[in-house]
Amino acid sequence: RKEVEQDPGPFNVPEGATVAFNCTYSNSASQSFFWYRQDCRKEPKLLMSVYSSGNEDGRFTAQLNRASQYISLLIRDSKLSDSATYLCVVTTSGTYKYIFGTGTRLKVLA
Amino acid sequence: ETGVTQTPRHLVMGMTNKKSLKCEQHLGHNAMYWYKQSAKKPLELMFVYSLEERVENNSVPSRFSPECPNSSHLFLHLHTLQPEDSALYLCASSQGAGKQETQYFGPGTRLLVL
Repeated sequence: RKEVEQDPGPFNVPEGATVAFNCTYSNSASQSFFWYRQDCRKEPKLLMSVYSSGNEDGRFTAQLNRASQYISLLIRDSKLSDSATYLCVVTTSGTYKYIFGTGTRLKVLA
Repeated sequence: ETGVTQTPRHLVMGMTNKKSLKCEQHLGHNAMYWYKQSAKKPLELMFVYSLEERVENNSVPSRFSPECPNSSHLFLHLHTLQPEDSALYLCASSQGAGKQETQYFGPGTRLLVL
């Protein structure tokens, strides 16, 4: 089983739609979780950290489910500019091993 | 954004060449990383340095040799590479390894080995 798994997509959604991605992780000792965004031929950039109680940043909401070992990202009112690959990242506190998923590709269509 | 810079941005090299990739971070971070990103694969961690000491080495072939002369600079020395080493090489930095420590990435070096 992969340490971090994501549905590669692509998810094709119309502008204004709500879309959600999940990411599962295998290491129950994982403590830190992130969503990064990567545009084509660019470097990954932090979208948001994921906290135990869930957190929201504008149109983006992240949730953590420790019992089922997954994190989720919800994007409301999708914009064309949201088209990108969304990377799930998991790490264990005190280590330098950030484990990346393969990413989920989102295409927002006009 | 110029927090983490990488040079060169693009590199084409033959299998017998020797080249070096350079990374510099201007964020005052203590940890620096090299990752390899190949098509349709997740980022693969290659090396990690914390305060100039190597703390992770993920079974990387010896044709890749890292060097960290200080906490702001990181190099990846390349020699006798193979075509399958063609990929995007990303440098990143973070303050440390504490909870929710964010990594910041450079723009990457796109490497093609002929």
